[in-house]
Amino acid sequence: LAKTTQPISMDSYEGQEVNITCSHNNIATNDYITWYQQFPSQGPRFIIQGYKTKVTNEVASLFIPADRKSSTLSLPRVSLSDTAVYYCLVGVEDSNYQLIWGAGTKLIIKP
Amino acid sequence: EPEVTQTPSHQVTQMGQEVILRCVPISNHLYFYWYRQILGQKVEFLVSFYNNEISEKSEIFDDQFSVERPDGSNFTLKIRSTKLEDSAMYFCASSEGDQPQHFGDGTRLSIL
Repeated sequence: LAKTTQPISMDSYEGQEVNITCSHNNIATNDYITWYQQFPSQGPRFIIQGYKTKVTNEVASLFIPADRKSSTLSLPRVSLSDTAVYYCLVGVEDSNYQLIWGAGTKLIIKP
Repeated sequence: EPEVTQTPSHQVTQMGQEVILRCVPISNHLYFYWYRQILGQKVEFLVSFYNNEISEKSEIFDDQFSVERPDGSNFTLKIRSTKLEDSAMYFCASSEGDQPQHFGDGTRLSIL
């Protein structure tokens, strides 16, 4: 069964860099890897998207190795407001094409 | 910035009744999605919709569910004969295509 795997939870401190990795063994050849952030009682919010190597925007970086079987979301210098659940989303090819969400990583930032 | 809007924010319904959840996607988006999130659990894909038809659906999206784009702006999810286990947050999302999905803030559905 195609799936993605993320750590259930992570803790860090303000000002630190946080890296969250998602594994996705069955990723579809031409599909992007996308990461979302979700606060309680809100819909997921787009953070970053990439296909391969490295992508950087104003809030995060995304590292994707050549085999694309995993991806790492990097949040530089986190603050308390980065406490949220982070999801990876990929398209996978199994018996048919499916959009698969990771189970989410609950990130808690401490002062 | 354009937003996806969902109504109502909270829907309480008796078991066995039908509910319609409504969404207004971002106006120039072509792809529409419904997701479900049971309290404390992960986001689950239900269905995607493009060009006035379902493009993909998950195993969750059985005959109890249907989607419709009744006019140029609304996108609805109908749940027939609701069950207790249908209680969840339901999120609508839209996208231009390969572009990222933009989510609404959801409808909390409570089945009594």
